[in-house]
Amino acid sequence: GAVVSQHPSWVICKSGTSVKIECRSLDFQATTMFWYRQFPKQSLMLMATSNEGSKATYEQGVEKDKFLINHASLTLSTLTVTSAHPEDSSFYICSARGVQNSPLHFGNGTRLTVT
Amino acid sequence: KQEVTQIPAALSVPEGENLVLNCSFTDSAIYNLQWFRQDPGKGLTSLLLIQSSQREQTSGRLNASLDKSSGRSTLYIAASQPGDSATYLCAVHIRGSEKLVFGKGTKLTVNP
Repeated sequence: GAVVSQHPSWVICKSGTSVKIECRSLDFQATTMFWYRQFPKQSLMLMATSNEGSKATYEQGVEKDKFLINHASLTLSTLTVTSAHPEDSSFYICSARGVQNSPLHFGNGTRLTVT
Repeated sequence: KQEVTQIPAALSVPEGENLVLNCSFTDSAIYNLQWFRQDPGKGLTSLLLIQSSQREQTSGRLNASLDKSSGRSTLYIAASQPGDSATYLCAVHIRGSEKLVFGKGTKLTVNP
């Protein structure tokens, strides 16, 4: 079945630094990728939707200058958390799909801890 | 605004028991509803997807039902096993958008 690889699985960084998370579709072309954030005991919240070659569409309340998303190819999207702060500590998960209405496939997530 | 609620938040059962997890949503304008499994610190595994025109889907010991008009879905797990212990998430795909709206999940513990 389709596989989405997310890297790293966990990262610890100091406040003020930037962290990049990668999301790759391994055996299909991901036309659209989604980035979610999940705080403890909360539901997954969509942060942004990115289409290959286009600017990402951010959900209300998500700072686009803080969470930089790049989807430059059909198999790779990256999320960069810039100037990370402790309140950005969370579980970030990407998902990807091929053509519209095709199944979504999720990565295994990245646990970000900002100290 | 679509809201998804899952009840109960946590459930602990002995091995072998049949159980039902509940999901409700406020807006019936959906493409489909999915049930996912999430293990601690891991991503999501899709269990069942029910299209808006369908009433139920089955996979092995799992059966999911959908009553779109009342905004409800249930996930039935038969003969539960310790390996079923995980958090179960319900998500609806909003009609007219790419968006999935998730519930907070039900944390299931099956005791040997």
